[in-house]
Amino acid sequence: EIQLLESGGGLVQPGGSLRLSCAASGFTFSSYAMGWVRQAPGKGLEWVSDISGGGGRTSHADSVRGRFTISRDNSKNTVYLQMNSLGAEDTAVYFCAKAPPYCGRDSCGAFDFWGQGTVVIVSS
Amino acid sequence: DIQMTQSPSSLSASVGDRVTITCRASQSISSYLNWYQQKPGKAPKLLIYAASNLQSGVPSTFSGSGSGTDFTLTISSLQPEDFATYYCQQSFTTPYTFGQGTKLEI
Repeated sequence: EIQLLESGGGLVQPGGSLRLSCAASGFTFSSYAMGWVRQAPGKGLEWVSDISGGGGRTSHADSVRGRFTISRDNSKNTVYLQMNSLGAEDTAVYFCAKAPPYCGRDSCGAFDFWGQGTVVIVSS
Repeated sequence: DIQMTQSPSSLSASVGDRVTITCRASQSISSYLNWYQQKPGKAPKLLIYAASNLQSGVPSTFSGSGSGTDFTLTISSLQPEDFATYYCQQSFTTPYTFGQGTKLEI
């Protein structure tokens, strides 16, 4: 059974940092791209970032580029999202998600399995 | 960025109804269109990928069609568990943008 378990969310002051983690199980982790999608309270979905199976290719939304960095450790079956210079606009539930098999090891934008999310609140 | 516009934003329907949700892209995205279902407090679930391909495990009452800029998600016979919010998403190019969602209510 595929499982994605996010952690690392919490309350942080504006300008602060957090590192989100997503521990994966139930599939060959290094064979799939992974991504992060967020959802602000009461709002829709926003793609944040993704990373290829080998970790060599990453993409970030303009809203987070230069502040957020996605990475992965295939030996630990874990993908990370380092978030710096956080602002109120980053308050959201952050979902970790897996790319479907038809994408190969590269991201193709779609996500077939999602974690339950971790909450990030940026407030003083 | 490619803008994705869904209509309607909300929809009331009954069990057994046939329902269609539309999604329009601001430029051609070929068939790089996915549909997700999200229930309150839960993660999204992939229903349809590449415009018309049913994700494994998704009931055949769901179907998708379209290409270019105009797409539809059809539920042929609403079941109680189908009442949720539905999102389209383009995967043609980054940023992979979502529609604003369609809330399907009883």
